[in-house]
Amino acid sequence: GAVVSQHPSRVICKSGTSVKIECRSLDFQATTMFWYRQFPKQSLMLMATSNEGSKATYEQGVEKDKFLINHASLTLSTLTVTSAHPEDSSFYICSARLSLGSYEQYFGPGTRLTVT
Amino acid sequence: QKEVEQDPGPLSVPEGAIVSLNCTYSNSAFQYFMWYRQYSRKGPELLMYTYSSGNKEDGRFTAQVDKSSKYISLFIRDSQPSDSATYLCAMSRITSYDKVIFGPGTSLSVIP
Repeated sequence: GAVVSQHPSRVICKSGTSVKIECRSLDFQATTMFWYRQFPKQSLMLMATSNEGSKATYEQGVEKDKFLINHASLTLSTLTVTSAHPEDSSFYICSARLSLGSYEQYFGPGTRLTVT
Repeated sequence: QKEVEQDPGPLSVPEGAIVSLNCTYSNSAFQYFMWYRQYSRKGPELLMYTYSSGNKEDGRFTAQVDKSSKYISLFIRDSQPSDSATYLCAMSRITSYDKVIFGPGTSLSVIP
């Protein structure tokens, strides 16, 4: 149980284009989903917290107009990187929390974004 | 001072060794502790979680929490090459809306 999927697993795009990454909880409903960014050999950097049906809460320094998050249902959250630039190239990982009463997060497999 | 500190390694051990991975933290409000394992280019996988001080065992893995010292450990017995990965500690305050704080991770290599 507690499986989270991400799509695509890898994407290459040209500078200036937008990319959408999907995060789905496959066998549970996730009231809260999280989006992280991870640089090589570094830990997870929380970008935003997404609650179903409400606006995402962004961490300090994360541009909400550049990283658009939509949590339309209890099983799907999307991250759209708008007007991508090479410095946006990174490993993006989502996670989902089972319920308000739980603390453990279950992570997706990640999406490798390369902006050329 | 960072909220959660963890030796990044790399840590290299022979197969069969007992591995000790550690984190220290500064916020005494942290009450919930987790260990994640992350293979290269994959998302983290939850290994263990615990609320209380003391030991929690699951197979070859033992999580230990010492709240008085603000110190948590993960022990791996009979380590295997498949245990080679980065291990992340994580913790949270008890309020369900609090975000989880992750350590930077320790890279472990188990040599056959």
